[in-house]
Amino acid sequence: SQQGEEDPQALSIQEGENATMNCSYKTSINNLQWYRQNSGRGLVHLILIRSNEREKHSGRLRVTLDTSKKSSSLLITASRAADTASYFCATSRGFQKLVFGTGTRLLVSP
Amino acid sequence: DTEVTQTPKHLVMGMTNKKSLKCEQHMGHRAMYWYKQKAKKPPELMFVYSYEKLSINESVPSRFSPECPNSSLLNLHLHALQPEDSALYLCASSQVVDRVGGYTFGSGTRLTVV
Repeated sequence: SQQGEEDPQALSIQEGENATMNCSYKTSINNLQWYRQNSGRGLVHLILIRSNEREKHSGRLRVTLDTSKKSSSLLITASRAADTASYFCATSRGFQKLVFGTGTRLLVSP
Repeated sequence: DTEVTQTPKHLVMGMTNKKSLKCEQHMGHRAMYWYKQKAKKPPELMFVYSYEKLSINESVPSRFSPECPNSSLLNLHLHALQPEDSALYLCASSQVVDRVGGYTFGSGTRLTVV
């Protein structure tokens, strides 16, 4: 299966702290994406990193990709209560077959 | 317009009913998707349409029947569902080829089969 696995499954931190989530996958990929999902609603695309990129930034988000280890990490700096959500990595070989990882549930307490 | 709109938001149906889920986008995306998500699980790909043609069917049971009438609309027809089909059904759209923007998801239809 191409599905990625994320750890930790759940993460609880205080506002202002950094949150790091890790994703491992099994097959070669074209790109890796990160999505956020608030409590059973739709997913919001956060960032896409291509297989030939190693690091990417977007606002308070930093994503790294290590294709040799088949792993990626998502760092959220200076977290806020509004960052409370589930975070999923998603991988694809062809762009149209996006497969999601198991997800990390992040709780940011005020 | 940067949204994917799904209707209805909630649906309760009996096992003998026929119903349809609808999805609409006006971003010019030519790839559209159906995903199924059970509680506390990741979304699972069901179908992919590319240029209004079905390009991927992830071995979904025939009681789920997708349809793409035009480049803006995607339907999922439901018939003779089972209680285990109860889930959040998500529609998404994207450019056909790899772009920076990723997929745009709708808010989903929460389906309960009784």
